[in-house]
Amino acid sequence: DTAVSQTPKYLVTQMGNDKSIKCEQNLGHDTMYWYKQDSKKFLKIMFSYNNKELIINETVPNRFSPKSPDKAHLNLHINSLELGDSAVYFCASSQAGLAGVGNEQFFGPGTRLTVL
Amino acid sequence: QKEVEQDPGPLSVPEGAIVSLNCTYSNSAFQYFMWYRQYSRKGPELLMYTYSSGNKEDGRFTAQVDKSSKYISLFIRDSQPSDSATYLCAMKGNNRLAFGKGNQVVVIP
Repeated sequence: DTAVSQTPKYLVTQMGNDKSIKCEQNLGHDTMYWYKQDSKKFLKIMFSYNNKELIINETVPNRFSPKSPDKAHLNLHINSLELGDSAVYFCASSQAGLAGVGNEQFFGPGTRLTVL
Repeated sequence: QKEVEQDPGPLSVPEGAIVSLNCTYSNSAFQYFMWYRQYSRKGPELLMYTYSSGNKEDGRFTAQVDKSSKYISLFIRDSQPSDSATYLCAMKGNNRLAFGKGNQVVVIP
């Protein structure tokens, strides 16, 4: 029974297209995150939502828009895809936000996005 | 200076050796320190979590934090081929979270 799931697992698309990645967690957690991991394995937080409210919005182009229909889901929509968007995108969740102590983040399996 | 520095390696060791990984950081607001393990084509999973200076042991793994030097380490004793993965340090504080670049470890049977 997967705790944090993402779809799709692989996404290959052309430059300029718009695409979405979906994330769902069944852990009952209040906080969800999106991370980007580049080809050199550098993991960088993009967004954090707590109970459907945007908490963290790191310096990310506004072509990236997160949407949280409920606290178990956090989707990532990307407009006008560029070559540099190619990366693995990870969704994660935790019981509380970053201020919490002992607050383990559970990561999804990742979505490998390739922009041609 | 980057917030978190981690030498990406890779690091190859023979089975049974001790693996030593470390990270340095510059942000004094960081108070909680974590090590994640990431197998190829998988998401990171939390390995160790600590928030005080000193050592914390969990089986073959020891996490060490020196807040005065802004330096953290992870030691893996009696390394196994199944320990081959990328290890990422992470730290958080003052509502910020930052990861190191990750260190690829290969344990050779």
